This record gives sequence, structure tokens and C-alpha cells, in this order.
Amino acid sequence: QSVLTQPPSVSAAPGQKVTISCSGSSSNIGSNYVSWYQQLPGTAPKLHIYDNDKRPSGIPDRFSGSKSGTSATLDITGLQTGDEADYHCATWDNSLSAHVFGGGTKLTIL
Amino acid sequence: QLQLQESGPGLVKPSETLSLTCSVSGGSISSSSYYWAWIRQPPGKGLEWIGSIFYSGSTYYTPSLKSRVTISLDTAKNQFSLKLRSLTAADTAVYFCARHSHSGSFSSWGQGTLVTVSS
Repeated sequence: QSVLTQPPSVSAAPGQKVTISCSGSSSNIGSNYVSWYQQLPGTAPKLHIYDNDKRPSGIPDRFSGSKSGTSATLDITGLQTGDEADYHCATWDNSLSAHVFGGGTKLTIL
Repeated sequence: QLQLQESGPGLVKPSETLSLTCSVSGGSISSSSYYWAWIRQPPGKGLEWIGSIFYSGSTYYTPSLKSRVTISLDTAKNQFSLKLRSLTAADTAVYFCARHSHSGSFSSWGQGTLVTVSS
């Protein structure tokens, strides 16, 4: 069972917006930066959001991240078929002294 | 452009030790700006951080694996390695090497290598 809680799956139609949540606690999300990763089938994860809300070079501005208290969210607007993937959140946990990941959310484009 | 590549056996027997190497190109593992990490993903499951090493050689590991894991650097070869002892079937996973920042974001990843623990 993951320290960070994500919904197992979300779905939306092309062009629509989807929000993926990541819930934690004061020892992890509440006091550390959150990052988000996209994992296409059969490939390695790819960083899409770091330090809560920053995008690496080359990541479209359709992807945005935010954090409030002990939860974080990843928003994807203007959904495309190529966005269909697993999305993982991650942060540092002060109590465990470990980097922790959410269980992952599978995004399906209808 | 930074590239990471894992290498090692695809099949290991229970109770044995897994040894994996991550070869880094396009950047130096001696940089003080980053850490070097191992992460694994059991089939159909989420990601699990195993441990990280800094250019100085200092290491830190996830508590559940700490007694069985060693991560080391070879600066001459620009590589870092993972040793995981006393393997069981629960260690079957895709193993990734990665680079992460001080704030904890994993910005570069290897393609991953599947390790199966079976007799």
C-alpha cells in the first residue's frame, strides 16, 4: 500500500480536462516538494512536473501542477490520445526518510 | 543529453545476489548538483524507490530494503551500481536507474531492465 494515495484510474474525452489527485500527510506532501511523472506503456517514467508546479523544458503547458496542504493535483487540459498513460506522483517523506511514490493513475482517453 | 543505461542479468535464483550497473553518458556522476538512484517497479504495480548515492559516496536507502542493499559509485567508469542480497520472488521487477535533484525530482531515467527471481 502506497504512502501517497492516487485514484487507480481516470478517463476523459479528447479535448477535455482531467485532474489527477495525490493525497498524503504532513510528513510528506505537507512539507516537501511534489513531482509528477508520465509513464507510457512499456517505457520509463518521464518527469512532467517538479517542485509542485514547474514544467521541465519540452513539457507542454497543457500540463500543470499545484499543491495545497497535504494534497497535490496534476491537471491536463486539451487531452490528446497520446496522453494515455500512467501518472505517478512523488515526494520525500520525513518520517520514513525515503522518497515515496503514489500507486499511479491510469489515464484513459475515451 | 544525459543518458542512463542499466545492465545486468535478467534471471537470478532465489537467495542469490542481484548486481546491476548503470552507465551514465552525457554528464558526470561526480557533479555535486545531483544524486543517483535506483527505483523498481514490480509487474503491474507502482514505483518503489530503493536508494540513492551522492557524488561523495554518501548513501541512503528505503527502510524496508536497507539491510539487503548496497549502492556504490565508480567515478572512473562514470557508473553506479546496485547490489540486492537474499533475493525472493517479491524482488521480481523492472529496475530503473535515475538521476534526481536535491529537491527530489527524478529528471533522467534509464530504460529499465526486467529482473526475474526464479529457480
